[in-house]
Amino acid sequence: AQSVSQHNHHVILSEAASLELGCNYSYGGTVNLFWYVQYPGQHLQLLLKYFSGDPLVKGIKGFEAEFIKSKFSFNLRKPSVQWSDTAEYFCAVIPLNQKVTFGTGTKLQVIP
Amino acid sequence: GAVVSQHPSRVICKSGTSVKIECRSLDFQATTMFWYRQFPKQSLMLMATSNEGSKATYEQGVEKDKFLINHASLTLSTLTVTSAHPEDSSFYICSARFVRRGTEAFFGQGTRLTVV
Repeated sequence: AQSVSQHNHHVILSEAASLELGCNYSYGGTVNLFWYVQYPGQHLQLLLKYFSGDPLVKGIKGFEAEFIKSKFSFNLRKPSVQWSDTAEYFCAVIPLNQKVTFGTGTKLQVIP
Repeated sequence: GAVVSQHPSRVICKSGTSVKIECRSLDFQATTMFWYRQFPKQSLMLMATSNEGSKATYEQGVEKDKFLINHASLTLSTLTVTSAHPEDSSFYICSARFVRRGTEAFFGQGTRLTVV
């Protein structure tokens, strides 16, 4: 069965620090990859997605992610975090025409 | 992006009662809706997949008689937790997908169910 691993469960950063959240998946075929964010008290929202093409994907609010097929990874990055980035971040993998599998989520806390 | 509205956002109910959670797609017709639950410190786990007008497909280990899913229209799916017990306390989230947007899923805000 496919699985998605997010290595960091809780990350605490100071404002302006750089962020990288890891996401690895186990599935050998073609996949679509997503990062979702859930701000406190709000919906899950799509941050960015990768379907095909350039493996470096840019999303909203300055986030980007890089798909490295050989490593089965789709890590999320942001050069300089802000207090408003405090949220929980979920990596999700959808093999073609199959169900979505989520990672366990990473809680990011940004300290002013 | 498309909007999915889930209601209620929080509910507290007594053990043995039933609770209905609604999930509506507000500006698109959802061909497929998904229901997830999340236990503390665990990932979102798919409970069931429903397509409009047909019976839901439940994941292994999910009791279909306990978690009743109805997808009567292209904009509304409901999850009813019947005879709720404290162990059913969890965070439930629905998501909807429609054909034109491929595999992208849009999520409701979730429902925090507490059974006392």
